[in-house]
Amino acid sequence: GQQLNQSPQSMFIQEGEDVSMNCTSSSIFNTWLWYKQDPGEGPVLLIALYKAGELTSNGRLTAQFGITRKDSFLNISASIPSDVGIYFCAGQLYKAAGNKLTFGGGTRVLVKP
Amino acid sequence: DAGVIQSPRHEVTEMGQEVTLRCKPISGHDYLFWYRQTMMRGLELLIYFNNNVPIDDSGMPEDRFSAKMPNASFSTLKIQPSEPRDSAVYFCASRLDSGTNPWVEQFFGPGTRLTVL
Repeated sequence: GQQLNQSPQSMFIQEGEDVSMNCTSSSIFNTWLWYKQDPGEGPVLLIALYKAGELTSNGRLTAQFGITRKDSFLNISASIPSDVGIYFCAGQLYKAAGNKLTFGGGTRVLVKP
Repeated sequence: DAGVIQSPRHEVTEMGQEVTLRCKPISGHDYLFWYRQTMMRGLELLIYFNNNVPIDDSGMPEDRFSAKMPNASFSTLKIQPSEPRDSAVYFCASRLDSGTNPWVEQFFGPGTRLTVL
């Protein structure tokens, strides 16, 4: 089952707004990943983080690996309609604990009506 | 370039029937992963292969589930007999072994949405 707490579970955005979401864990990870999933498609990797405190950008996306190793954050700046989708975080303790990814429950980003 | 191909995209079947899901990984990739996604449990790894060999199947929920990879370009996930609680979206993902963490940069297929009535 899920072991990562991802919040918020859903959010509405208006074009041009900045968006933030986060992921917290009760255990430490040494790799954090952020994915986006569009309807009817599989997840696509957005950003990978490998070191505590690391801040990495991919276009309008910025993600940070928390210094406690138990959390990560994703920010989207100046949102546009195509940012709609479900964003998943995933944590991994690479070279330990079977190497498997643990996924958060997702943050559903929707457009304000 | 063709991505990961899964078939069928949608499958509706009745309880007790055998279901076979198919996956063609990206050519040249030597890791293949099967995941299941449900609202309740999110995305879960079922099994993964490296060079066609099953490495970890601890995520396979029951003996009703089996997976094979007879060659580098094809894998199947079979459920026999199927039950309503197996209803989910099943994803296949593949990755090229570049000597680094093989779990990063997996390329996911579009998924198979399975409904068991």
